[in-house]
Amino acid sequence: ETGVTQSPTHLIKTRGQQVTLRCSSQSGHNTVSWYQQALGQGPQFIFQYYREEENGRGNFPPRFSGLQFPNYSSELNVNALELDDSALYLCASSLDSHTDTQYFGPGTRLTVL
Amino acid sequence: GNSVTQMEGPVTLSEEAFLTINCTYTATGYPSLFWYVQYPGEGLQLLLKATKADDKGSNKGFEATYRKETTSFHLEKGSVQVSDSAVYFCALIVGGGSNYKLTFGKGTLLTVNP
Repeated sequence: ETGVTQSPTHLIKTRGQQVTLRCSSQSGHNTVSWYQQALGQGPQFIFQYYREEENGRGNFPPRFSGLQFPNYSSELNVNALELDDSALYLCASSLDSHTDTQYFGPGTRLTVL
Repeated sequence: GNSVTQMEGPVTLSEEAFLTINCTYTATGYPSLFWYVQYPGEGLQLLLKATKADDKGSNKGFEATYRKETTSFHLEKGSVQVSDSAVYFCALIVGGGSNYKLTFGKGTLLTVNP
């Protein structure tokens, strides 16, 4: 059974640029959640995708957007990058949208200069 | 809203010492409670969970009991090892809505010295 994978591992961008992060969910899981973890903080919920539809969103601006594909993999897109977007971005998959246990990938470390 | 408060770190212990990391929560509804662990440079790993009052979650020698009366879920281990050095996050999910999102505490850094 393959776990949650994310790519790339690290990324460096400059202010104003756009970035796309990718996540492959665990086999059999149809729900993906994205979290932002700033340095020294706990992860903050960005949004969740269930069967290709957004299924809840945290307190993040619209320049944070996402997609989920028919194979349940997912992308997180961030436009107009700001310095404060520098963080570890974590993807988590769960069996479905009403399962309480989420399994996390290793994360993508984004640095905005 | 929902929130999790956990003891501020860092916590530094000697090998074989007893560990307690305190966690209290506020939730609108009846949450499931979790402890996640993050090793240096890695993502989060689920350590243990409990879904109802008085449940005890346990894994790898770690334990935590869901205490509804005190809204707490303190993490304990009787004898820590150097390999337990990591950041520990307490978290909750309140189900019943359209999505299950985790609310995390700020994390507690544990360092275990030989």
